[in-house]
Amino acid sequence: QKEVEQNSGPLSVPEGAIASLNCTYSDRGSQSFFWYRQYSGKSPELIMFIYSNGDKEDGRFTAQLNKASQYVSLLIRDSQPSDSATYLCAVGRGNQFYFGTGTSLTVIP
Amino acid sequence: DAGITQSPRHKVTETGTPVTLRCHQTENHRYMYWYRQDPGHGLRLIHYSYGVKDTDKGEVSDGYSVSRSKTEDFLLTLESATSSQTSVYFCAISAGRGAGDTEAFFGQGTRLTVV
Repeated sequence: QKEVEQNSGPLSVPEGAIASLNCTYSDRGSQSFFWYRQYSGKSPELIMFIYSNGDKEDGRFTAQLNKASQYVSLLIRDSQPSDSATYLCAVGRGNQFYFGTGTSLTVIP
Repeated sequence: DAGITQSPRHKVTETGTPVTLRCHQTENHRYMYWYRQDPGHGLRLIHYSYGVKDTDKGEVSDGYSVSRSKTEDFLLTLESATSSQTSVYFCAISAGRGAGDTEAFFGQGTRLTVV
């Protein structure tokens, strides 16, 4: 079983819609949870981190964490074409990070 | 942007030759990591360091070695490059008590091709 699982997509949404990205993790000892955005040919860029159950909002982005279900999600409101990228879910445990394989998002103008 | 510089950015090398990739940080972060990224596999940890001269293996460490003689520099060496090591290599850094507490920041990446 992989540490972090993501639907690889591709996920397509129209401009202005809400994009919903999901992630599950296998180890209940995971302590911290991250979403990275990666444009083609570029390095991963941190968007959000969340440590506690519930929602965390930052601008158009909302991260949701449910530790009981071992589930993390990222909502992108008012999606823009510039949001088209691969989104990586990551969990932190001890002194290591574990990454999912990413979900490809395309926002259609 | 976090001060992380990887060098070289691109490299083509021949099978069987040794290759060293360098990661340099200006953030004085304790933790440094080397990942490789391949289609279908995502980011996989090769080695990481939790201080000067303190390193440990990751998920895909075979064929790789690392060294950290200064806080700011973390070197990744492919002892004898093979075609299976063709990949994009990312260095990452993290501050604080450990990965469970703070986020990781990535360098620009090194695209390595072994022919």
